[in-house]
Amino acid sequence: GAVVSQHPSRVICKSGTSVKIECRSLDFQATTMFWYRQFPKQSLMLMATSNEGSKATYEQGVEKDKFLINHASLTLSTLTVTSAHPEDSSFYICSARDGRGSSYNEQFFGPGTRLTVL
Amino acid sequence: DAKTTQPPSMDCAEGRAANLPCNHSTISGNEYVYWYRQIHSQGPQYIIHGLKNNETNEMASLIITEDRKSSTLILPHATLRDTAVYYCIVRVDEGNLFFGTGTRLTVIP
Repeated sequence: GAVVSQHPSRVICKSGTSVKIECRSLDFQATTMFWYRQFPKQSLMLMATSNEGSKATYEQGVEKDKFLINHASLTLSTLTVTSAHPEDSSFYICSARDGRGSSYNEQFFGPGTRLTVL
Repeated sequence: DAKTTQPPSMDCAEGRAANLPCNHSTISGNEYVYWYRQIHSQGPQYIIHGLKNNETNEMASLIITEDRKSSTLILPHATLRDTAVYYCIVRVDEGNLFFGTGTRLTVIP
């Protein structure tokens, strides 16, 4: 089946620093990628949607200057949390939609990245 | 996308069938019903989806009522590894997936 990977799986950083999270579709081309955030004991919240080569579309309430998304290729999207603060500590999950392959239009999720900001 | 309503939690005995209900009374004609599950501290896993007809795959069966206002996900023989939060989501064909609060299924030995 289609596989989505994320790196790193866990990161701890100091307040004020920036953190980059990578999301890769390993065996399919992802024309659309999604970034979700999940706080403890809560559901996943969609942060933004990005299409390859285009600017990301952010959900209401998500600061685009704080959460920088780059979707430079059909297999890679990155989320950069700029000037991270403790309230940004969360579980960040990416997802990719197969735009062309045998699992066309299906959406697959990565394993998540746990960010802790001290 | 239509909103879904699920019970917050359910228990199921190991080896028995787990039947997870979902109400989506405002579903539109072009919206699919999707089921995902999330095991603790992992990304969501796709289970099954359908539009009108009942569907079955190696993981589960999906029963959609004739009026499409509700559905049931059936895990035929629940195991301890099926303990997870199960999300029922409705979306149009190329729409985004918005997660509700889901049902926390606990499979009991």
